[in-house]
Amino acid sequence: DQQVKQNSPSLSVQEGRISILNCDYTNSMFDYFLWYKKYPAEGPTFLISISSIKDKNEDGRFTVFLNKSAKHLSLHIVPSQPGDSAVYFCAASGSASSARQLTFGSGTQLTVLP
Amino acid sequence: EAGVTQFPSHSVIEKGQTVTLRCDPISGHDNLYWYRRVMGKEIKFLLHFVKESKQDESGMPNNRFLAERTGGTYSTLKVQPAELEDSGVYFCASSPRTRGDAFFGQGTRLTVV
Repeated sequence: DQQVKQNSPSLSVQEGRISILNCDYTNSMFDYFLWYKKYPAEGPTFLISISSIKDKNEDGRFTVFLNKSAKHLSLHIVPSQPGDSAVYFCAASGSASSARQLTFGSGTQLTVLP
Repeated sequence: EAGVTQFPSHSVIEKGQTVTLRCDPISGHDNLYWYRRVMGKEIKFLLHFVKESKQDESGMPNNRFLAERTGGTYSTLKVQPAELEDSGVYFCASSPRTRGDAFFGQGTRLTVV
């Protein structure tokens, strides 16, 4: 039973446009959410995070939005660049000792077309 | 500063054999995690060390998997005997904090044939 779901396995956008990657979670114990980016043959690299006390966090071209009532978060990349092409993983953790590890979604392959 | 390093990067073994994966975390990181990604699915938690102690091993699939972290430095993950379903990419991650973001290694791709 997946507690973090990324329902879109792939997404293609044109360079310069906005990329929106979505993630849903079911465990209400999660209070910290992260996005990781992964290139082929490399490990995931931390991108941006958000605590449940916030609904938005911005870092340069990357913004994460959190809707706690809907148990939904999204990552916006604007403008998208070809170098952003990678697999993006949503992850979550909780403060309870049983939930501190990262629980990942299955990833979304983003392709930014030049 | 060196990142998290894993060895080997690839391993192909026959069913029933033993394989040992190694992870060297970032120096000074007390928290070390093992994760696994199977068949392009989600990355799943296996276990968490704080220094040399197992903090949480709830994700270990079965007793064919044994993880150690002697001296609280590098860690090994042994699979004995390996089964076909153990194939996947095994990631190690380390962090100075108990929770939050962690730094991942490049992974070990294990193929059991």
